[in-house]
Parts: sequence; C-alpha cells; structure tokens
Amino acid sequence: SAVISQKPSRDICQRGTSLTIQCQVDSQVTMMFWYRQQPGQSLTLIATANQGSEATYESGFVIDKFPISRPNLTFSTLTVSNMSPEDSSIYLCSVDRTSGSYNEQFFGPGTRLTVL
Amino acid sequence: AQSVAQPEDQVNVAEGNPLTVKCTYSVSGNPYLFWYVQYPNRGLQFLLKYITGDNLVKGSYGFEAEFNKSQTSFHLKKPSALVSDSALYFCAVRDSNRDDKIIFGKGTRLHILP
Repeated sequence: SAVISQKPSRDICQRGTSLTIQCQVDSQVTMMFWYRQQPGQSLTLIATANQGSEATYESGFVIDKFPISRPNLTFSTLTVSNMSPEDSSIYLCSVDRTSGSYNEQFFGPGTRLTVL
Repeated sequence: AQSVAQPEDQVNVAEGNPLTVKCTYSVSGNPYLFWYVQYPNRGLQFLLKYITGDNLVKGSYGFEAEFNKSQTSFHLKKPSALVSDSALYFCAVRDSNRDDKIIFGKGTRLHILP
C-alpha cells in the first residue's frame, strides 16, 4: 500500500482567495492524481500530474483555476484559485502503485474545503 | 466510454443481516472493477478488485464481490452486516480508453441499523 498525507485536512476560506493543498507520498511514484468530491457527489478527476511535465487536465478543469505543481516524485500541490462557494468540496490526492502486474490506486485522506 | 452504475442512493440493512450493494458496468474489453469505501471524514479506502480469475473476489473487512459477466454486474456483499460498516461505497472501473484512469460510480450510502 501507499501512505499518502495531505495538508491541510480542512480549511474555511473567503471568496476570491486561493488555497494550496499539499500531497506527500511515502515513496516515489510516477503519476499523481487530483480528485474533487463535491457535497453528496462522486469523485471527479481534476488532473493527472507527472513529475517534470505539465499536468494533464480533464474536461471542465483548467490550469488557471487549478494550477498543479509536481516538483519531485513524492510531492504535489493543487491550488484552488479565486475561490467561490461552488468550490466547496473534498479534494483528494491519489497515486498508482504497482501490485504484481497491475496498478492499484490509493487515496489520501482528503482536504475538506469550505468557501464562504 | 467505460462506466459503472450504482442504482441505489442508499441501502438500509439490519445489523447481522446479509447486505448487498449493487453495481453494474459497461466496458469494452476486459473489465477492471473495484470497490472503495469512504467512512465519515476520511479518505477512500480500497476494499477489493476484480481483474481476472475467480468470479468471487474477497476483500477487506469481510466484504466480497461477485463478478457476473452475463449480467454485467459486480455487486458488493457481506454475509453479516455490522453497524461499523455504515459508510459510503463506490464502485469503480478502469477506463482503458482514457489511459486507465479510474471512473467512479455515484456512490451508495449504506446504513446498518442496530
């Protein structure tokens, strides 16, 4: 398994501000994923972050709103920019880890964001 | 595109009774299916997966899931429910058309009644 930590675990922010969420993994991984879980909803993939290259964003998500950094193989950040109440969600970091001949996906504990 | 459907928003089961959380899938090619659980104020935890082999897959916390190709289903089961099983359960599939990204169902909230 993979041990994944996220900071902060939760935050309450004002409209128009930005928040950077950190994700730390206990060992090196090639790809890291960022998901959003809006209240009462399922998980939606925001972007995939590879070390040394720009993140790949899913449809409906843009770099200006959700800039991502991936400075090394164990760390990534997601920034939620110019926040509005609609950004209130749980944001989860995730990694793939090889288990035998297949990749399993592990998730961090999430960051619960409330925007006022 | 690959997808999974969880037809029930909520399932209520009395403690000690068997439980089933339903999931159906739509994939092209071989399905790689998963179940995850999310306890209140916690991240997702992996329960079990089906890639190939036996249709009955055993996972964490006494859960198991049965892969049924003819019915395109992957229902989650447990013989005897515990109150501590109350949580949000997600069925998921790897989307081979999207670089194997995981696609989640909408989730089913399981309430175990004491």
